[in-house]
Amino acid sequence: DAGVTQSPTHLIKTRGQQVTLRCSPKSGHDTVSWYQQALGQGPQFIFQYYEEEERQRGNFPDRFSGHQFPNYSSELNVNALLLGDSALYLCASSLGSWGDGETQYFGPGTRLLVL
Amino acid sequence: SQQGEEDPQALSIQEGENATMNCSYKTSINNLQWYRQNSGRGLVHLILIRSNEREKHSGRLRVTLDTSKKSSSLLITASRAADTASYFCVPVSIWGGGNKLTFGTGTQLKVEL
Repeated sequence: DAGVTQSPTHLIKTRGQQVTLRCSPKSGHDTVSWYQQALGQGPQFIFQYYEEEERQRGNFPDRFSGHQFPNYSSELNVNALLLGDSALYLCASSLGSWGDGETQYFGPGTRLLVL
Repeated sequence: SQQGEEDPQALSIQEGENATMNCSYKTSINNLQWYRQNSGRGLVHLILIRSNEREKHSGRLRVTLDTSKKSSSLLITASRAADTASYFCVPVSIWGGGNKLTFGTGTQLKVEL
């Protein structure tokens, strides 16, 4: 049973560019959440997708957008990259009853460096 | 949603010793979860304790929850070098949007040989 997978593992971009990160949820899960983790900090919630809709969003600008596909996989897009977007981006999947607060399963993350 | 406050921020112990980490939170919860993160990689869920539970065990892990004091503790017994990691507590309230996890800065545990 495959866990949560993310691609790519590492990425280097320059300021102003755009990036797309990908996530496949754990088998049987229908909800995908994205988190950003800066060095030395805990993960910060970006947004969550369920049934191909953004269900909840954290305090991130519109430069951060996402998508969920019918097979429940998801993409995170970041436009007009800033140096401060350098971070570990984590994807988590869960089984999606609204607000049941159950366990989330995290992928290994994509480390993004913006130069 | 609220985040947990982990204490201490850093903990260094010898292999074989026990490690205790504490967590405090502010408002009522439905459950509280502990996660581990090794060296900047993905997080691993360790244990979930519900608000009507007081103690839970999983292998070498023991978690307690005191809802009257709004606090939890994670005990790792007979620690190993592989336990070196950051540990996060996440209080969850469904009224805050239950599937949105809010993390603090964690406790950085170092287990030395």
